[in-house]
Amino acid sequence: EIVLTQSPGILSLSPGERATLSCRASQSVSSSYLVWYQQKPGQAPRLLIYGASSRATGIPDRFSGSGSGTDFTLTISRLEPGDFAVYYCQHYGSSPLYSFGQGTKLEIK
Amino acid sequence: EVQLVESGGGLVKPGGSLRLSCAASGFTFSSYSMNWVRQAPGKGLEWVSSISSSSGYIYYADSVKGRFTISRDNAKNSLYLQMNSLRAEDTAVYYCARDSGGYNRFDYWGQGTLVTVSS
Repeated sequence: EIVLTQSPGILSLSPGERATLSCRASQSVSSSYLVWYQQKPGQAPRLLIYGASSRATGIPDRFSGSGSGTDFTLTISRLEPGDFAVYYCQHYGSSPLYSFGQGTKLEIK
Repeated sequence: EVQLVESGGGLVKPGGSLRLSCAASGFTFSSYSMNWVRQAPGKGLEWVSSISSSSGYIYYADSVKGRFTISRDNAKNSLYLQMNSLRAEDTAVYYCARDSGGYNRFDYWGQGTLVTVSS
């Protein structure tokens, strides 16, 4: 079973700053199946990044993903007020079929 | 416009049953695999179950295997989750989510329906 561990649990930053969120897998995974979602309070998750580094439709280029093997990163280059949310990484594998990290809450400092 | 609308949530006693529905529109439902994902209050996301476009492949998380049954009716553009032997730990918002054409990522989500298991 692949376990995804996200860090930090909470990240406190100010608008305009750069955010770096980490997702570490318990064993090497295919970057093709590494995905990032954003979830705001009271809303459903929103697809941000797929294939570790490809932006989903309509996602601004302030959001970027990188990584391979066991270490993946979501970077938000210049934080805007609407970016403060919880971010989840996800992997498609075998057992379980899909696994999520526990989330990183990005909060306004 | 792609829309996924869940319904059927509510309050149920431990050991009880509930059937969730997800009505899909704005895309060719029969061409996409579909999924249920849940989120306990204040917690993270947990994948529950997946069903392929023609129902030929079905998968469950270990936590619900043997108790939940996923199904779909492509003629009605609808996805279902039959939940039996419900436990307090099944309390969550249940989302239906579309698989993006076989690429194993969830590109559209419904707004969710809350299931509360409590005596």
